[in-house]
Amino acid sequence: DSGVTQTPKHLITATGQRVTLRCSPRSGDLSVYWYQQSLDQGLQFLIQYYNGEERAKGNILERFSAQQFPDLHSELNLSSLELGDSALYFCASSVAGLRSEGPITDTQYFGPGTRLTVL
Amino acid sequence: GESVGLHLPTLSVQEGDNSIINCAYSNSASDYFIWYKQESGKGPQFIIDIRSNMDKRQGQRVTVLLNKTVKHLSLQIAATQPGDSAVYFCAETRQTGANNLFFGTGTRLTVIP
Repeated sequence: DSGVTQTPKHLITATGQRVTLRCSPRSGDLSVYWYQQSLDQGLQFLIQYYNGEERAKGNILERFSAQQFPDLHSELNLSSLELGDSALYFCASSVAGLRSEGPITDTQYFGPGTRLTVL
Repeated sequence: GESVGLHLPTLSVQEGDNSIINCAYSNSASDYFIWYKQESGKGPQFIIDIRSNMDKRQGQRVTVLLNKTVKHLSLQIAATQPGDSAVYFCAETRQTGANNLFFGTGTRLTVIP
């Protein structure tokens, strides 16, 4: 058990809908990262939050957004869902924000993921 | 973890043999490397890491080797066990900017009892 929790484990919805995925980081970690794992793209970084603020963006669509709350849990919002959004969504947490703000060996620990199926 | 990619490299080994999983990276700015194991239905699990100022690091039954000259990373698993069957990913972070991970394609290891 990594200490990172994610809910729900599975989510099935229809095209055009909006869903929210939730993540709680490990105790003491201030950063939360969201990754998408699809069959044809592998694991790809979406977005990072550190202590409530957005720190970095990766290959995140404009239909997707995230936020981190004062208690440090994070939510990833996916809207206007398309079939191609079906994937596993993982969050990870670590201590630091940017590379300059923490140790080089700032290991990220992953949650169990949310499987999103868009029908 | 589901299979990642339709063309995931595979490695099959006999139980008790040693396994070697390879990974190439392309960015010279990468200075921290991590191996993750992903079992079916689970998230990536940290195995071992290495900084770019090291060539080798050993853990329990695992060794990571880093060759910066050819930008190559390998994971050696000694006395492979059925529980080692999983998809293995190498990941890297870079010296500047964000702290996000860049993942390799992954290799599916199957241990034959």
